[in-house]
Amino acid sequence: SQTIHQWPATLVQPVGSPLSLECTVEGTSNPNLYWYRQAAGRGLQLLFYSVGIGQISSEVPQNLSASRPQDRQFILSSKKLLLSDSGFYLCAWSRFPGQAYNEQFFGPGTRLTVL
Amino acid sequence: QKEVEQDPGPLSVPEGAIVSLNCTYSNSAFQYFMWYRQYSRKGPELLMYTYSSGNKEDGRFTAQVDKSSKYISLFIRDSQPSDSATYLCAGRDNTDKLIFGTGTRLQVFP
Repeated sequence: SQTIHQWPATLVQPVGSPLSLECTVEGTSNPNLYWYRQAAGRGLQLLFYSVGIGQISSEVPQNLSASRPQDRQFILSSKKLLLSDSGFYLCAWSRFPGQAYNEQFFGPGTRLTVL
Repeated sequence: QKEVEQDPGPLSVPEGAIVSLNCTYSNSAFQYFMWYRQYSRKGPELLMYTYSSGNKEDGRFTAQVDKSSKYISLFIRDSQPSDSATYLCAGRDNTDKLIFGTGTRLQVFP
């Protein structure tokens, strides 16, 4: 069976500090991978998605970046955090990219608080 | 205008009630529609996945899509306290990107 892991589960960081969130998927190969942010009172906002190793598409201009160094590993980074980066970060994967039925499976999330 | 609009609630109902959750969308290219359930501090999980207009039933849950009015609904019959969660609707065109609403928080009290 497939599982998706995210860490850390919670993180408190000062403004201006760097960020690295990691997501890994087990039990599948060549999935599409996604990073979302969920801020209070707002829906899930797609930040990045990846269709393969080294292939990253950015949906929202910001001070965040993403990388996919391995097939089932997706990393979200920032060089200098802003207060507005606080939120619940969710990683997701899908196994039938480009097909009509293409469910996205979400990880447990990382709650980031920037102070 | 947001692509997917959803009343944030909270919606509070007694156990056993029929719940109606609704979303409107503006993107005519949406072909697929989803409802996700998200418990507090957890990742969302898929409840219903529908294509185009029509109804789809799964146990106590019924999803309804009306593309002519750009309106999607989720009905929950015989609601239970365990249904208390935030319900997110989402639309998708022929790409793999989902556009989510803000979510409606549902509380079912015993």
